[in-house]
Amino acid sequence: QKEVEQDPGPLSVPEGAIVSLNCTYSNSAFQYFMWYRQYSRKGPELLMYTYSSGNKEDGRFTAQVDKSSKYISLFIRDSQPSDSATYLCAMSEIGSATNKLIFGTGTLLAVQP
Amino acid sequence: DSGVTQTPKHLITATGQRVTLRCSPRSGDLSVYWYQQSLDQGLQFLIQYYNGEERAKGNILERFSAQQFPDLHSELNLSSLELGDSALYFCASSTSPEGAWTSGDLSYEQYFGPGTRLTVT
Repeated sequence: QKEVEQDPGPLSVPEGAIVSLNCTYSNSAFQYFMWYRQYSRKGPELLMYTYSSGNKEDGRFTAQVDKSSKYISLFIRDSQPSDSATYLCAMSEIGSATNKLIFGTGTLLAVQP
Repeated sequence: DSGVTQTPKHLITATGQRVTLRCSPRSGDLSVYWYQQSLDQGLQFLIQYYNGEERAKGNILERFSAQQFPDLHSELNLSSLELGDSALYFCASSTSPEGAWTSGDLSYEQYFGPGTRLTVT
């Protein structure tokens, strides 16, 4: 079993839809939770991060962490065609001598105009 | 543009061969991370170097090795290549000192390069 599981895509939604992307994890030591966005033929770029539990909002994006369920989500409101990309969740342990990231496999999102 | 550069962009080689991938981190970043991205496994951590020293190893095969030079650039060496080694290889860098995450601060964000696409035929 992988440490981080991500809902498989691909996901296709119409422009303006609310998108929900999710990951589950098994390692209780994870404290940092990140969402990366990766456009085709590009490297991943950090979209949002959350430390420990709770919600975080940034414009049209909201990240949620539920540590009791070991479940994280990314919501995209009013989705735009420019949001079409692969979204990767990533996690890291606290107090680690290295901040190596453990990634989910990614969800490919297509927002149709 | 993340400030991390990787060369070459594409590499096509035959099974059994050896290749070297190069990464230049962002100016001032001391940590370099290597990741492999394949369709079936996703993005997997291979190895980390901090200021010239190996800090952590992930799912890196014995046929693979890396090093970080005094000017902080890093090279990933892949030898005895197999078809299954075909993947995207990403380098990331951060300022990451030891115990990077203890502060709850994301000053140590990892910035990814554009990747090297390796095709083994």
